[in-house]
Amino acid sequence: AQSVAQPEDQVNVAEGNPLTVKCTYSVSGNPYLFWYVQYPNRGLQFLLKYITGDNLVKGSYGFEAEFNKSQTSFHLKKPSALVSDSALYFCAVRDPYNTDKLIFGTGTRLQVFP
Amino acid sequence: DTAVSQTPKYLVTQMGNDKSIKCEQNLGHDTMYWYKQDSKKFLKIMFSYNNKELIINETVPNRFSPKSPDKAHLNLHINSLELGDSAVYFCASSQVLGPGPQNIQYFGAGTRLSVL
Repeated sequence: AQSVAQPEDQVNVAEGNPLTVKCTYSVSGNPYLFWYVQYPNRGLQFLLKYITGDNLVKGSYGFEAEFNKSQTSFHLKKPSALVSDSALYFCAVRDPYNTDKLIFGTGTRLQVFP
Repeated sequence: DTAVSQTPKYLVTQMGNDKSIKCEQNLGHDTMYWYKQDSKKFLKIMFSYNNKELIINETVPNRFSPKSPDKAHLNLHINSLELGDSAVYFCASSQVLGPGPQNIQYFGAGTRLSVL
């Protein structure tokens, strides 16, 4: 079965420090991978995607993600965290058998402390 | 301008009632979706429509009936509400159907449904 795993329920980081939010996937064929962010009482906002090409993908708000095929990972990163980055982050993969369907991970809450 | 808008934002109702949630997108997209987010924040797709046609129908009880009067609207009607229906429901839209760089889903702010 196609799936996405986010092994950390919560990640805590001090403002100004680099952050990483982990995501691994299990999918047949080449994966189409996404990161979304959900701020409190808001809908999900698209951050970035990997379809093909460079393994390092740059997205909104200074975030980037690195696709690693051998490790089946797509970790979200930012060089310097801001308090305003505190939110719930979702990794998702497109279902290769039903390409309109996104399969989401369980989400990781990022808390950035001043 | 809100790209994907849902109404109402909050919905509190009694078990057994029938309720509807409306969704509209002004992005000119062809495909719209409904997702359910449970109390543990787990997100799962329920339905997708492309140009008013049902494409995805996950194993959702038939008490849930989506209706798409035109491609800019996808409403969700729920009959005989149950306690377990309490969740946040998100509407989303994407430009096209299927794979491709245009298929990014854009989400509404969600409707928090509480069934008492």
